[in-house]
Amino acid sequence: QVQLVESGGGVVQPGGSLRLSCAASGFTFTRNAMHWVRQAPGKGLEWVAFLRYDGNNQYYGDSVKGRFTISRDNSKNTLYLQMTSLRPEDTAMYYCAKVRYGGDQYYFDNWGQGTLVTVSS
Amino acid sequence: DIQMTQSPTSLSASVGDRITITCRASQSVDTYLNWYQQKPGKAPKVLIYAASNLESGVPSRFSGGGSGTDFTLTISSLQPEDFATYYCQQSYSTHFTFGPGTKVDL
Repeated sequence: QVQLVESGGGVVQPGGSLRLSCAASGFTFTRNAMHWVRQAPGKGLEWVAFLRYDGNNQYYGDSVKGRFTISRDNSKNTLYLQMTSLRPEDTAMYYCAKVRYGGDQYYFDNWGQGTLVTVSS
Repeated sequence: DIQMTQSPTSLSASVGDRITITCRASQSVDTYLNWYQQKPGKAPKVLIYAASNLESGVPSRFSGGGSGTDFTLTISSLQPEDFATYYCQQSYSTHFTFGPGTKVDL
C-alpha cells in the first residue's frame, strides 16, 4: 500500500534552515507529481509547493516563494523541502502528498503523517 | 491566485442530520474542486474529487456538487465519525489553494 513518511522536522531559530524529507513507497514514485502542504497549530491547510514527476516545473505558495525549494531524488523515492530564512510564521505541521490525476481529476489521494517544524528563539 | 471561501465556518449538528457545506471560488475552477476531511491530529483524507466523484471507500452519505465557482458538500445522515473539519481545494491552477475549513461538531 502507499506509504509517505516525512522526517526532518524540529526546532530551529528564526533565520535558520531545515530540510524535510518524504520517503515514498507502494507506488511508482517516478510517475507522480508531489506536493507539500502545511498546517499551523490550530489553523487550516496551506498549500506550500508542487513538483512534477520529472523534477521540472516547480511551483510555490506566495508565503514561501524565494525561501523554500522543493526537489526529489527519484533513485531514492524521496521528496525534499529545503527551507531557508525561516520565520516564526513557518511553524507548522508539514505534510507531503501524492497526486492522482487524469481527465478532469487532480487531487491529493495519499498524505503522510506529517513532520512538525517549530521556528522559535 | 484563486481564493476559496467556505460557509459556514462552523456548524453544530446531531447524529442523523443532513448538512450542507458551501465552497466558493474567486474565479471559475470548472470542476477541479476537491473535498477533504480532517480529524484532530490526523492527516487530511479525500472524500470527493472533481466536484462530484466519491473517492473509493468513502461512504455514500457523502456527496458533492457544483461547477464553476459554487460547490457543495452534503452529508445526508451525519454519523458520529463525521464530526471533523472539512476543506475544499481547487486544483484548477498551479497554486492549489484550500478553503479555510468548516468545523462540524456535536
